[in-house]
Amino acid sequence: AQSVTQPDIHITVSEGASLELRCNYSYGATPYLFWYVQSPGQGLQLLLKYFSGDTLVQGIKGFEAEFKRSQSSFNLRKPSVHWSDAAEYFCAVVTNTGNQFYFGTGTSLTVIP
Amino acid sequence: KAGVTQTPRYLIKTRGQQVTLSCSPISGHRSVSWYQQTPGQGLQFLFEYFSETQRNKGNFPGRFSGRQFSNSRSEMNVSTLELGDSALYLCASSLGTVADGQPQHFGDGTRLSIL
Repeated sequence: AQSVTQPDIHITVSEGASLELRCNYSYGATPYLFWYVQSPGQGLQLLLKYFSGDTLVQGIKGFEAEFKRSQSSFNLRKPSVHWSDAAEYFCAVVTNTGNQFYFGTGTSLTVIP
Repeated sequence: KAGVTQTPRYLIKTRGQQVTLSCSPISGHRSVSWYQQTPGQGLQFLFEYFSETQRNKGNFPGRFSGRQFSNSRSEMNVSTLELGDSALYLCASSLGTVADGQPQHFGDGTRLSIL
């Protein structure tokens, strides 16, 4: 069965520092990959997606993610974190023969001044 | 362009009651999916509707059902409510089906509390 792992439940970074959130998936072929962000009391907002092609994808709010087939990973990065980036981040996978989104358990990001 | 609208935002029910949640997708979107989000289980897929047909269903009991109308609006119904049904219910819409890899656009959810 497909699965998505976000090994870090909670991460704290200082404002201005760089950020990397990890995501690993379990699937034989290359799935469609997504990162979403959820602010308290709100729904999920799409940050970026990977379907094929260039393995480094750019998203909104200065985020980027790199797909590494050999590691089955799709890590999210931001060079300089802002206090407004504090939120819950979810990695999600859809297989090209699949029928639903599989979400990771999320990583909660705290940004300290 | 208006986003995904879910009503109501908050709902309080008691055990044994039933509830209907509503979702209006982004204009032009034909796929609507429903998710349950809880602290313990995270985001779990309930079902997906496309062109008024249920395409897929997650691992939830038959008490959870849904439907989609010709204008793509969708409703989700939960009967015989249990305490464990307390959760944030999220609706998401997309142009094509989930299997097409179309990104989903989420509403702000309905917070259901069971007393």
